[in-house]
Amino acid sequence: DQQVKQNSPSLSVQEGRISILNCDYTNSMFDYFLWYKKYPAEGPTFLISISSIKDKNEDGRFTVFLNKSAKHLSLHIVPSQPGDSAVYFCAASYGDDKIIFGKGTRLHILP
Amino acid sequence: EADIYQTPRYLVIGTGKKITLECSQTMGHDKMYWYQQDPGMELHLIHYSYGVNSTEKGDLSSESTVSRIRTEHFPLTLESARPSHTSQYLCASSANPYEQYFGPGTRLTVT
Repeated sequence: DQQVKQNSPSLSVQEGRISILNCDYTNSMFDYFLWYKKYPAEGPTFLISISSIKDKNEDGRFTVFLNKSAKHLSLHIVPSQPGDSAVYFCAASYGDDKIIFGKGTRLHILP
Repeated sequence: EADIYQTPRYLVIGTGKKITLECSQTMGHDKMYWYQQDPGMELHLIHYSYGVNSTEKGDLSSESTVSRIRTEHFPLTLESARPSHTSQYLCASSANPYEQYFGPGTRLTVT
């Protein structure tokens, strides 16, 4: 049973607009949430994380929001740029050095 | 800059052959991981290691084996490849529990 769910396989956003990628999780024991970005023929790269004790973390154009009551997190990218076209993986951990990944959402930034 | 290498990048091999997928990192990380990923699916942890002479099986059952004789080297071996082993294999290392550095992956096809 999937513990981390990304229900949108793909998303298209106009360049310069906001991209919002969503993620739901089922395990309330997760204490850290992460987003990874993956280009074709490359391994995933760490993008941003958030501790379960926070509800927002911002790093430049990237902001992650956590709603623990809804078991939901989202990644906002503002403004979206062509280089943001990639697959984004939501992931979660409960402190045992192992990460549970979602299936990913493919983001297309349209010119 | 994270330095983690995987060879070969692509491998097409016949059923029954023995194969070894190589993974090396130059960051001195104690923790290393092997993931298996099919297209459009989540990354599944198949093996991990917390240091030299330490190896554990991950959450997804795998017929592969691993070894960790040196900190920087974490090879994965399949004694007898089968078509069901066709997948992408990603190696990662980390110094902290949450930020893992991934190699570019090996895409394995067993005919």
